Amino acid sequence: AQKITQTQPGMFVQEKEAVTLDCTYDTSDPSYGLFWYKQPSSGEMIFLIYQGSYDQQNATEGRYSLNFQKARKSANLVISASQLGDSAMYFCAMRDSEYTGGFKTIFGAGTRLFVKA
Amino acid sequence: DAGITQSPRHKVTETGTPVTLRCHQTENHRYMYWYRQDPGHGLRLIHYSYGVKDTDKGEVSDGYSVSRSKTEDFLLTLESATSSQTSVYFCAISESLLAGRTETQYFGPGTRLLVL
Repeated sequence: AQKITQTQPGMFVQEKEAVTLDCTYDTSDPSYGLFWYKQPSSGEMIFLIYQGSYDQQNATEGRYSLNFQKARKSANLVISASQLGDSAMYFCAMRDSEYTGGFKTIFGAGTRLFVKA
Repeated sequence: DAGITQSPRHKVTETGTPVTLRCHQTENHRYMYWYRQDPGHGLRLIHYSYGVKDTDKGEVSDGYSVSRSKTEDFLLTLESATSSQTSVYFCAISESLLAGRTETQYFGPGTRLLVL
């Protein structure tokens, strides 16, 4: 069954340092998409980065990069040069195809990141 | 930012009353989704739509119905609200479903619903 696991409920990082948020997934579908979203205290869900299962290179979007290790089924988010505004909840998500029942996108439980000044 | 609005943004209602939440998009995206977010459960898909009048169930669809009569609007209805439906509801849109980056879902601001 499809599953997303984020093992770090909360993390602290010093401002200007890099931080890695862990995400592992489980699917039997060879075609899937992986996403990271940020949810600040204001509540909105902000898309950060996308990685397709057939993409050869790790995705990058500004200070965000996705460390995609397909064999290990891991899709860790790396935030470089942390800023105070990065304090938020971060969700890893996966979309795959259930050919008998449509499709499904599932979300992990999230990791709360605290950036210290 | 994707043009997605949700109304109302906050609502308090009583058990047994019908409630309709509206999602409106200006991006002309084909796919629209309704999620609920609850502590300990993350985001869970309620229903989604792949075109006007074309909808399908998600993983937590019991007690909810949806309608999409126009590309830009996707309505979520709680026919008879229960306290277990107290949650934050998010609408999302995507350009495609299974086609690389264009399948990325963009979320509306959310609606906080309290059922007393």
